[in-house]
Amino acid sequence: DAGVTQSPTHLIKTRGQHVTLRCSPISGHKSVSWYQQVLGQGPQFIFQYYEKEERGRGNFPDRFSARQFPNYSSELNVNALLLGDSALYLCASSAQGRTHMNTEAFFGQGTRLTVV
Amino acid sequence: ILNVEQSPQSLHVQEGDSTNFTCSFPSSNFYALHWYRWETAKSPEALFVMTLNGDEKKKGRISATLNTKEGYSYLYIKGSQPEDSATYLCALKAAGNKLTFGGGTRVLVKP
Repeated sequence: DAGVTQSPTHLIKTRGQHVTLRCSPISGHKSVSWYQQVLGQGPQFIFQYYEKEERGRGNFPDRFSARQFPNYSSELNVNALLLGDSALYLCASSAQGRTHMNTEAFFGQGTRLTVV
Repeated sequence: ILNVEQSPQSLHVQEGDSTNFTCSFPSSNFYALHWYRWETAKSPEALFVMTLNGDEKKKGRISATLNTKEGYSYLYIKGSQPEDSATYLCALKAAGNKLTFGGGTRVLVKP
């Protein structure tokens, strides 16, 4: 079975542009979460979606939005890109949406976004 | 805001030596602690999910302990090998499925 897949792997955008990042979860997983990882720091939570509904949102501006499709894949959208949005964006999938203590989250390799 | 701290930020280990490092977290509203191993250009790989105070888990030469009362977890690597070189992340799960990560400990094993 394929793991979590993300596309594209690398992306260069100009300030002010818009970007869409994509994530396909592990087959059978209904929950997708997005994280932003800036060099030298741990990943920061952006969104969680479960069964196409937003279940959690981190401390990110409204320029960040996401959605989940009926096949449980997900898109992360960022508008009006800033230089500070340059980061690795990770997607994680898990089987459960609610708090189950032992639920593992499986990560993709990430999309490296560079804003110039 | 949950504060998860990892120390040290980085460490160099001689091949064959054992090492350990720490993850500290607030002990209130604890659900689970996750450990991940992250090699450059790869996906973070899940090592352990720990939920109970006093938990000890082992995978090969890597093991971890958990103290939820005092809010810390240790990760141990026994007989380090060059392939153990990676960043080790801990993440706290509180309510929901959100993971709050520490900054990671970067381990470099020297042959």
